Amino acid sequence: EVQLVESGGGVVRPGGSLRLSCAASGFNFDDYGMSWVRQVPGKGLEWVSGVNWNGGSTGYADSVKGRFIISRDNAKNSLYLQMNSLRAEDTALYHCARYSSSGLEYNWFDPWGQGTLVTVSS
Amino acid sequence: QSALTQPASVSGSPGQSITISCTGTSSDVGGYKYVTWYQQYPGKAPKLMIYEVSNRPSGVPDRFSGSKSGNTASLTISGLQAEDEADYYCSSFTSSSIPPVFGTGTKVTVL
Repeated sequence: EVQLVESGGGVVRPGGSLRLSCAASGFNFDDYGMSWVRQVPGKGLEWVSGVNWNGGSTGYADSVKGRFIISRDNAKNSLYLQMNSLRAEDTALYHCARYSSSGLEYNWFDPWGQGTLVTVSS
Repeated sequence: QSALTQPASVSGSPGQSITISCTGTSSDVGGYKYVTWYQQYPGKAPKLMIYEVSNRPSGVPDRFSGSKSGNTASLTISGLQAEDEADYYCSSFTSSSIPPVFGTGTKVTVL
């Protein structure tokens, strides 16, 4: 079964840092680009970041550029998101999702993980 | 990049057909074939329902269909069932190439 499981969410103060992880299983992880998409509870979806199959190409939403770093470890079938200088507006459920190809150009995401909740609050 | 516009809610009785619209611009929906629809139950992961405007992944019932005209894409659910009650999001490739744009989301209620 193709599966993505996120972890690492929690409560953090403004200005703090957090590292999210996504464990992939059931498919050849290094054949696909991967992404993070966030969702404010009860609200819509916002693409946050993406990385190509080998980590050599990355992309970020303007809202997180310079603060978040996406990376992957193909040997561990894992995706990561290092979140620094966190703000209240970063509070959301963070999903990892698989691109339909090895690159970053969006066609569709499938599958998605259930997400890990990040709350930024003092 | 502004979010694609969807109606906040659509409802229908079991067995009826409903259509959800997704309006963008020529820089996203109107310009490319990569329009996608996702279904999301509360507390669950989004699920791919339609890709490339009108294609269904294996396992998605054929009562779900997609189409596009100009800058507006549509998802139609024919023969509405209770299990179709969920949130639905459209998305599209954009002229910016890397970041996709998502719709505002539509809550489907089965009366």
